[in-house]
Amino acid sequence: AQSVTQLGSHVSVSEGALVLLRCNYSSSVPPYLFWYVQYPNQGLQLLLKYTTGATLVKGINGFEAEFKKSETSFHLTKPSAHMSDAAEYFCAVSERGNQGGKLIFGQGTELSVKP
Amino acid sequence: DTGVSQDPRHKITKRGQNVTFRCDPISEHNRLYWYRQTLGQGPEFLTYFQNEAQLEKSRLLSDRFSAERPKGSFSTLEIQRTEQGDSAMYLCASSLTGVRYEQYFGPGTRLTVT
Repeated sequence: AQSVTQLGSHVSVSEGALVLLRCNYSSSVPPYLFWYVQYPNQGLQLLLKYTTGATLVKGINGFEAEFKKSETSFHLTKPSAHMSDAAEYFCAVSERGNQGGKLIFGQGTELSVKP
Repeated sequence: DTGVSQDPRHKITKRGQNVTFRCDPISEHNRLYWYRQTLGQGPEFLTYFQNEAQLEKSRLLSDRFSAERPKGSFSTLEIQRTEQGDSAMYLCASSLTGVRYEQYFGPGTRLTVT
């Protein structure tokens, strides 16, 4: 069965500092990989996805993530944090071959940005 | 493209009552998903439809839960005899098979069972 682990339920960075949010997955076949962001009392917004091709993917708001098959990881980074980046971030996977299908989410990482 | 909409946004009900939520997906999307999210947790899959066919249900979905998508457009999720443990955010998402696999989420319906 697929599973997703996000290391660190809370991450705090200073404005302008590097953001690194960690995600590891467990799956017998590399799945499709996604990062979503959730602001308080709102739904989820897609930041970026990896399905095939280039392993470094760029998303919205300056975020990017790199798929590393050997490490079963899909960590999310942003070179310089902005106050508006404070939110909850979820890594998710879906089964390859079913044109996506259900998403399996990690527990989430709450990002705080200090001025 | 107006996005995924959900109604109501908030629902407060007493234990034992039935509730029904509605989700309107992005118009051309053929897949529709329901998830449940409790405080501090990631969303958990409940069920999904491709057009009007319900293709998968989670074992989290007890007999008190039922979902429909009668004409392959909007969907409803009904919870019968609500319990306090049903208090959560219920999220709906839609996607289009064939080219893009990402799911687009609605704002959610927050259910509080008192």
